[in-house]
Amino acid sequence: EIVMTQSPATLSVSPGERATLSCRASQSVSSNLAWYHQKPGQAPRLLIYGASTRATGIPARFSGSGSGTEFTLTITSLQSEDFAIYYCQQYNLWPYTFGQGTKLEIK
Amino acid sequence: QITLMESGPTLVKPTQTLTLTCTVSGFSLSTNGVGVGWIRQPPGKALEWLALNYWDDDKRYIPSLKSRLTITKDTSKKQVVLIMTNMDPVDTATYYCVHRTLIGTTGIQHWGQGTLVTVSS
Repeated sequence: EIVMTQSPATLSVSPGERATLSCRASQSVSSNLAWYHQKPGQAPRLLIYGASTRATGIPARFSGSGSGTEFTLTITSLQSEDFAIYYCQQYNLWPYTFGQGTKLEIK
Repeated sequence: QITLMESGPTLVKPTQTLTLTCTVSGFSLSTNGVGVGWIRQPPGKALEWLALNYWDDDKRYIPSLKSRLTITKDTSKKQVVLIMTNMDPVDTATYYCVHRTLIGTTGIQHWGQGTLVTVSS
């Protein structure tokens, strides 16, 4: 199965600043990559699919890039509601797999 | 509006069989490109796909659990059922029912609220 590795495990950023999260696949997943964030007690929410397309209702401060094995999620001008755990997920090859998550916390 | 709702026991004993039901609305289980699947998340841990049933009855299972899993769909009842046998305490997790499509928004846009299943004697 494809292993998804996210870095860093924890990222401390101040509100208003930029956050950059990374996701690496153990083999190419083309652009079949999605990003989610999850807050305590809630289901994950889709942010980005197709590596770079924002899902419905997702603000423009969220952007995704990359293809193949290296992907990045960038969040500009962090808002209080953005502090959560972020997961990447490949859906190029079954079993679809998630990364272990990056916790974005307030600095 | 697409919604998914999980139902089933919150507590099962080791070695028992877990049966979870996902009842959907806002779409048909026979719509081209649509699949409904199950993802679980142990407390404090990451997400894991378990199984997926597509509109054409193509079924996928995570290889490590394939011998214990069965997924079925009933289009008329708008339900997808996951059966997991021989439950163990390590299977304690929140189980999510999800809607997947091969057309358009290819990430998981729609999730159920999740149901916490605890495996304990």
